[in-house]
Amino acid sequence: ETGVTQTPRHLVMGMTNKKSLKCEQHLGHNAMYWYKQSAKKPLELMFVYSLEERVENNSVPSRFSPECPNSSHLFLHLHTLQPEDSALYLCASSQVFAGVGYNEQFFGPGTRLTVL
Amino acid sequence: KQEVTQIPAALSVPEGENLVLNCSFTDSAIYNLQWFRQDPGKGLTSLLLIQSSQREQTSGRLNASLDKSSGRSTLYIAASQPGDSATYLCAVVHSGGGADGLTFGKGTHLIIQP
Repeated sequence: ETGVTQTPRHLVMGMTNKKSLKCEQHLGHNAMYWYKQSAKKPLELMFVYSLEERVENNSVPSRFSPECPNSSHLFLHLHTLQPEDSALYLCASSQVFAGVGYNEQFFGPGTRLTVL
Repeated sequence: KQEVTQIPAALSVPEGENLVLNCSFTDSAIYNLQWFRQDPGKGLTSLLLIQSSQREQTSGRLNASLDKSSGRSTLYIAASQPGDSATYLCAVVHSGGGADGLTFGKGTHLIIQP
């Protein structure tokens, strides 16, 4: 595997379900990100992890819960979602240099989520 | 709050034409700017990254310029091909580096007619 991978690629869930999205990066990066892409709206940043610590939570509802167990893996746990949460969820990674911050981000293929 | 605008929202041109996509941002205190392409239903492919100290970057038929003081960037595509059809996204990193998220524009949907 190379680059950034995401599973599953498609997910359909009911509003009472609990599911998780998985992201894995094979680039040796030390920062990972979750973004949401809804129709007719720009890509929105949801969460940022740097060195496995969450550094930004962009006012995301608590029904979305991120987890970063190590620098290569990132999860997004979903529970009691709403139909308006249907979107493409994209994961990205980058290398961060303390005090400099190069920050070219590389994206995975995304998970297309449909909430019924 | 940083806002990124891309013009035009959509563009359709015949194959072989040179074209320019525009991006503007409201806060000139950016660290870098990145151009991506996105194919329908797919993730983002990074095309070019320009750091704030740079004026332009080139990759093959693509050239991106940055005028930080005026809050503008352009993506120039030379000799366009049908395979260039995609949505092109411009994004900026606002603060001084580190693990910062990108702020995106809505994109330019480009169609190259064979």
